[in-house]
Amino acid sequence: QSVVTQPPSVSGTPGQSLTISCSGSSSNIGKNTVHWYQHLPGTAPKLLLFNNNQRPSGVSARFSGSKSGTSASLAISGLQSADEADYYCASWDDSLNGYAFGTGTMVTVL
Amino acid sequence: QVQLQQWGAGVLKTSETLSLTCAVNGGSISGFHWNWIRQPPGKGLEWIGEISQSGVTKYRASLKSRVTMSVDAAENQFSLKLTSVTAADTAVYYCARQRRTLIGLFYVPRFDIWGRGTPVTVSA
Repeated sequence: QSVVTQPPSVSGTPGQSLTISCSGSSSNIGKNTVHWYQHLPGTAPKLLLFNNNQRPSGVSARFSGSKSGTSASLAISGLQSADEADYYCASWDDSLNGYAFGTGTMVTVL
Repeated sequence: QVQLQQWGAGVLKTSETLSLTCAVNGGSISGFHWNWIRQPPGKGLEWIGEISQSGVTKYRASLKSRVTMSVDAAENQFSLKLTSVTAADTAVYYCARQRRTLIGLFYVPRFDIWGRGTPVTVSA
């Protein structure tokens, strides 16, 4: 089971803003940077944010991230139907000596 | 534009060996670490391990006894073998390129390019 936890689902209406939380520990998020991935079923996951709040080229500025202590969050502003996907936070875990993905959050646009 | 093309057997029987290969198209395998990640049905993503261009590996502890990763620089591809599979190994398997940022004294990995995934089903 994952050592990094996320809410199973969050939902919002078009245009709204929402936040996804990501809770870890001192061996992962507390010590290392956080990355976020967007995954539409049947497709390859996509790197959405890296090193807490950096956006790869081509990723919309509607996505932003933050980290505090052993927790992190992903914010989506101006919610769109295209944002319906699963979102995973992830961080290197020094205790596992491996990469730890969060449990994943399904975003639904109502 | 770098793309990862992956392939391998999609149906296995218990105790057989899973074998997948990922080709790096439009770029070089040199200069990066390469990873395998899987997603069991209805579950989240799970990191399996990584291999450097020179063949240095790091595996998930729970799979270490059954996993072997290799790289073929001449063919610009890398591979995953997982022995003695069971139904618990049923998953979509992804290959991915790892990029790294030096923060302090350590390299922090992230996966910036992914393959499309290979579904693998293990049955009795």
